[in-house]
Amino acid sequence: DTAVSQTPKYLVTQMGNDKSIKCEQNLGHDTMYWYKQDSKKFLKIMFSYNNKELIINETVPNRFSPKSPDKAHLNLHINSLELGDSAVYFCASSPLGGGTGEQYFGPGTRLTVT
Amino acid sequence: QKEVEQDPGPLSVPEGAIVSLNCTYSNSAFQYFMWYRQYSRKGPELLMYTYSSGNKEDGRFTAQVDKSSKYISLFIRDSQPSDSATYLCASYSGGGADGLTFGKGTHLIIQP
Repeated sequence: DTAVSQTPKYLVTQMGNDKSIKCEQNLGHDTMYWYKQDSKKFLKIMFSYNNKELIINETVPNRFSPKSPDKAHLNLHINSLELGDSAVYFCASSPLGGGTGEQYFGPGTRLTVT
Repeated sequence: QKEVEQDPGPLSVPEGAIVSLNCTYSNSAFQYFMWYRQYSRKGPELLMYTYSSGNKEDGRFTAQVDKSSKYISLFIRDSQPSDSATYLCASYSGGGADGLTFGKGTHLIIQP
């Protein structure tokens, strides 16, 4: 009965490759997010999706593109991976359009670019 | 200037002690305040959630927000070794699908 799940858990790849991370939530929430946690453990918002519409897009390189096939899924595609993309990526979801701020996080995907 | 400031620690206390974790924030638009607990190599887990100023208690945990001083606190009573984790404070302005603004997290160690 996992609430927010991500695959894969670990991802090791070489510079220049293209990769995807998948996220699914079974909470019935209508807003989903991607966060990046760097080596210093600082969590920063990358994207949010509300009813399949991109709501915000922080200063993230356009090599990163979120895609939501339906309300329960938000995938993250990364093109031309760079060393600096190495981090842990967390998916999160929130009810009520995110208006209350309560967000529930997945277990994370640890991306290592060599 | 970071919008949410938090001392990264580590903070080490003996088992049974009262723990006080704190954050300050600069954005007056923040209305909602949260504490997340993150164990090593796990996702953040929502621990406490408060709206505006005031206190909220849940078992051994008490969250406190003082909007006049822009100060957020989390108190843990009767601390246990299982409380050892990184505690992240987060703030949110409300009214949309904005992301949370996190502090850098405080690494807490409860010594048995």
